[in-house]
Amino acid sequence: GQQLNQSPQSMFIQEGEDVSMNCTSSSIFNTWLWYKQDPGEGPVLLIALYKAGELTSNGRLTAQFGITRKDSFLNISASIPSDVGIYFCAGCDVGNNDMRFGAGTRLTVKP
Amino acid sequence: EAQVTQNPRYLITVTGKKLTVTCSQNMNHEYMSWYRQDPGLGLRQIYYSMNVEVTDKGDVPEGYKVSRKEKRNFPLILESPSPNQTSLYFCASSLSQGLGNTIYFGEGSWLTVV
Repeated sequence: GQQLNQSPQSMFIQEGEDVSMNCTSSSIFNTWLWYKQDPGEGPVLLIALYKAGELTSNGRLTAQFGITRKDSFLNISASIPSDVGIYFCAGCDVGNNDMRFGAGTRLTVKP
Repeated sequence: EAQVTQNPRYLITVTGKKLTVTCSQNMNHEYMSWYRQDPGLGLRQIYYSMNVEVTDKGDVPEGYKVSRKEKRNFPLILESPSPNQTSLYFCASSLSQGLGNTIYFGEGSWLTVV
């Protein structure tokens, strides 16, 4: 099956900077999810989006479900060292029991 | 505490030597699945199970087997491991497929096949 296209693959930023990453797909999804994976741990859900156009925040994180239902982005504002990790997007087609993950964005934050 | 527990966390084995990675969840979830994570490829689904005695292939099932005899357990079996199965494996469970806010991942199992 086809994976989602997630970009960028990696980012090296200075503490305090804002971060933006996105996922695109050729397929329509009815749910978009964003996960964070800390080193040595399993992915943990950050934000879930259920409606096209939906914009949801979780602290310094903001994610949007694209209008076309084929894309989503995640923004992190005022990054801090503990933001380091790998961020994954996932698209779900609940009706077809299908869930796809992006390849991940590895974020490094320099103090 | 809600948990998905995998064992072993780390394993080095030789080509052809059968191994099993166990997965157990304590949340009475119906849906369980296995993923492998490889650099640049993200999480790819190996097998999933919608309920007891119901299993289906994911995207990369070749070389793997699973069983779901009990609701809480979903072991991943490598009958004859090969080096291309060296990877980080995650077990996950949820109330049902696609409900992102209820998907729980285990801590991962690092497998090296030499």
